[in-house]
Amino acid sequence: AQSVTQPDIHITVSEGASLELRCNYSYGATPYLFWYVQSPGQGLQLLLKYFSGDTLVQGIKGFEAEFKRSQSSFNLRKPSVHWSDAAEYFCAVGAVFTGGGNKLTFGTGTQLKVEL
Amino acid sequence: DVKVTQSSRYLVKRTGEKVFLECVQDMDHENMFWYRQDPGLGLRLIYFSYDVKMKEKGDIPEGYSVSREKKERFSLILESASTNQTSMYLCASSLRRGQETQYFGPGTRLLVL
Repeated sequence: AQSVTQPDIHITVSEGASLELRCNYSYGATPYLFWYVQSPGQGLQLLLKYFSGDTLVQGIKGFEAEFKRSQSSFNLRKPSVHWSDAAEYFCAVGAVFTGGGNKLTFGTGTQLKVEL
Repeated sequence: DVKVTQSSRYLVKRTGEKVFLECVQDMDHENMFWYRQDPGLGLRLIYFSYDVKMKEKGDIPEGYSVSREKKERFSLILESASTNQTSMYLCASSLRRGQETQYFGPGTRLLVL
């Protein structure tokens, strides 16, 4: 069975500083990987996804993530954080199920706080 | 834009009550999902459905059932609510293809007293 580990429960960065959120996955085949963001009281919004091809993927809001098969990692990065980026971030791995589509397994999330 | 709506943002119920959480999507998606979200546990899949009247158990189905009578609507049912079912419930939908993204609703925060 697949699993996702987000080792950092909370991270605090200063506005304008760079950001890296860690994600490690366990999956037997080539994974489908996702990063979602959840603002307070809201549902989840997709930031970016990796299915195949270029291991560096670009997402919305200036985020990017790099898939490293050798390290089983899919870390999320942003070069300069804005105060509006304060939210909870979830990494997920998708496994295709028989009926068609992805069944997602989520990490426990990383809460990002941005200091002004 | 994909729109996934959930019938209530906040719900307060008493122990033993039957609870219905409704989810509707307007993008003709085949797949629909119910998750619960708890602090420190992330999101956990309760049930999903890949077609009308079809359902599959997720990772934590105990105490829940689901119904999908129409393609656009997926209901989560708590037959006899208990306090340990107090949680945030999120619905999602996706197309029936391996690489498709799941789109989430805003969530229903359920409190069982």
